[in-house]
Amino acid sequence: DAMVIQNPRYQVTQFGKPVTLSCSQTLNHNVMYWYQQKSSQAPKLLFHYYDKDFNNEADTPDNFQSRRPNTSFCFLDIRSPGLGDAAMYLCATSQGVGIYNEQFFGPGTRLTVL
Amino acid sequence: AQTVTQSQPEMSVQEAETVTLSCTYDTSESDYYLFWYKQPPSRQMILVIRQEAYKQQNATENRFSVNFQKAAKSFSLKISDSQLGDAAMYFCAYRRTTGANSKLTFGKGITLSVRP
Repeated sequence: DAMVIQNPRYQVTQFGKPVTLSCSQTLNHNVMYWYQQKSSQAPKLLFHYYDKDFNNEADTPDNFQSRRPNTSFCFLDIRSPGLGDAAMYLCATSQGVGIYNEQFFGPGTRLTVL
Repeated sequence: AQTVTQSQPEMSVQEAETVTLSCTYDTSESDYYLFWYKQPPSRQMILVIRQEAYKQQNATENRFSVNFQKAAKSFSLKISDSQLGDAAMYFCAYRRTTGANSKLTFGKGITLSVRP
């Protein structure tokens, strides 16, 4: 089945140790998104790629970066994780950015920072 | 800035009964979309239903329907004949129609449990 896959599902890292989360998709969608979802809070958009064009949200910390080497894969890099970065990270895709384009979500990666 | 408020953190419903999840939002836009997403435990978030603001008729998808009150900026989700598989976190979300990069704004979500 076409889908959005996130690996790993659970990631543990140490304070300050760089970590990379992975997302892949078989939908061949143009747009890939990364959301941060902290406990009991709303999912918050960090950034998205439209093809190779990177779009950062204004309030996304510099500590968070992303790479999209090809259509299928997108990575979230956290350069120096802090305790406050512990959260569920959701990847989503859509065919386009217009309002009629439904976003399809992956199952998320739960990040723990020790 | 747009905001979405889900004031009830948890709700419970008896299997086969009906439950209504509340959502309010704030926006100065006149044209936008509203969504309800379902996030089952350890599984991906999926779209349950969407409502276009310029449509007066409430959206319906099988057992799921909405009560959209544009003037009151209220957008509630009604689940009829609740099933055990409906147990999940439900997010209300808003997206304006204008702007190429308009983003989804989510509420904090509500955890729905279904009692057998």
